[in-house]
Amino acid sequence: QVQLQESGPGLVKPSETLSLTCTVSGDSISSDYWSWIRQPPGKGLEWIGYIFHSGTTNYNPSLKSRVIISVDTAKNQFSLNLNSVTATDTAVYYCARHEGLVTSGFDSWGQGTLVTVSS
Amino acid sequence: SYELTQPPSVSVSPGQTASITCGGDKLGEKYACWYQQKPGQSPVMVMYQDTKRPSGIPERFSGSNSGNTATLTISGAQAMDEADYYCQAWYSTTGVFGGGTKLTVL
Repeated sequence: QVQLQESGPGLVKPSETLSLTCTVSGDSISSDYWSWIRQPPGKGLEWIGYIFHSGTTNYNPSLKSRVIISVDTAKNQFSLNLNSVTATDTAVYYCARHEGLVTSGFDSWGQGTLVTVSS
Repeated sequence: SYELTQPPSVSVSPGQTASITCGGDKLGEKYACWYQQKPGQSPVMVMYQDTKRPSGIPERFSGSNSGNTATLTISGAQAMDEADYYCQAWYSTTGVFGGGTKLTVL
């Protein structure tokens, strides 16, 4: 059974870069698609972007100018970098798997990690 | 940008049927998914490709999608079904979530 685990700093200063890593076990990252999704406290889910093992990415247009998602197939990990953060980027960040595009939903999720943007 | 619209809240009595709607432009031409999220937990997919239940999801959960509206139906709602529910679809390979619906079973 696939398991996903987010890791990274829980506190980031305004204007700096938020960096998180998702470690995948029980499945090869060289199959399927892998996404980052966030949820501000008390609010709904927002898709950030996905990556395929080939390095193909797609991002939420509202975040595209600040986001980079990368993959490390050797470590079975993928990562999120979000730059120029502000308080509105405070959220629980989830990594998730989807088996395909368009036809597939997010069938496995990490436990989520809270990232607070504050000085 | 694309939007999916859900009612903020739905209430249902135990044993009755709850329907949660999700509206979006030509949503019926896309596949809709639904997620259940309980407080302090990660979301769990309860429906995919409009009508398919993942393994382990009870049969009382069903889905439909036509026109501009997808619907998640819970037949014989139980107290354990009380949660937030989110719809999701892909628009041109961009993931879009609905705003979420809080289902209360009382």
